[in-house]
Amino acid sequence: NAGVTQTPKFRVLKTGQSMTLLCAQDMNHEYMYWYRQDPGMGLRLIHYSVGEGTTAKGEVPDGYNVSRLKKQNFLLGLESAAPSQTSVYFCASSYVGGSNEADTQYFGPGTRLTVL
Amino acid sequence: DQQVKQNSPSLSVQEGRISILNCDYTNSMFDYFLWYKKYPAEGPTFLISISSIKDKNEDGRFTVFLNKSAKHLSLHIVPSQPGDSAVYFCAASNTGSNTGKLIFGQGTTLQVKP
Repeated sequence: NAGVTQTPKFRVLKTGQSMTLLCAQDMNHEYMYWYRQDPGMGLRLIHYSVGEGTTAKGEVPDGYNVSRLKKQNFLLGLESAAPSQTSVYFCASSYVGGSNEADTQYFGPGTRLTVL
Repeated sequence: DQQVKQNSPSLSVQEGRISILNCDYTNSMFDYFLWYKKYPAEGPTFLISISSIKDKNEDGRFTVFLNKSAKHLSLHIVPSQPGDSAVYFCAASNTGSNTGKLIFGQGTTLQVKP
């Protein structure tokens, strides 16, 4: 069981370039999430998905797009990268969104993105 | 508008003593609260949670207390160990939304000195 994996681990982009971050989970989870972590800000939700083929906006969705074509994968896209998108990005997954430990979100190791 | 706040960016305690990490929230719709622990260069890992129908949940050295009237929760670690040194995030959820969305605090960096 690999859990939640993220590709790539590190990336440097120039302003205006595009890229896609891949999140994969092998736990058969329904729900998946993308967060960004910035100093002093905690983790903020970018987009999330409650099932294959569905996506929704989180707290800070601007400048990002997502797709959930397969249950096990959740892709985060940056169409035109900006320096403000320099951050550490975490993907997470859970069975559903309930209130017991079985619904806990499991996080990937993160992707460190720098936009110059 | 920060709905979940951890007002202490850092905390330093001696090994064997108690660590108390605090968290405040503003949204009365939150009914499920969690603590995550994060080591450098790793993703957060779940530590302990509490539902709003309880005021205390214990798991080994870790206890979470919830004071709904004050909209305050705290994590107690007793006794603290050097391996507990990490960033601790509290998070809150409105389970009625059925989205599983978590709102995180800013984090508190705990250092446990040997």
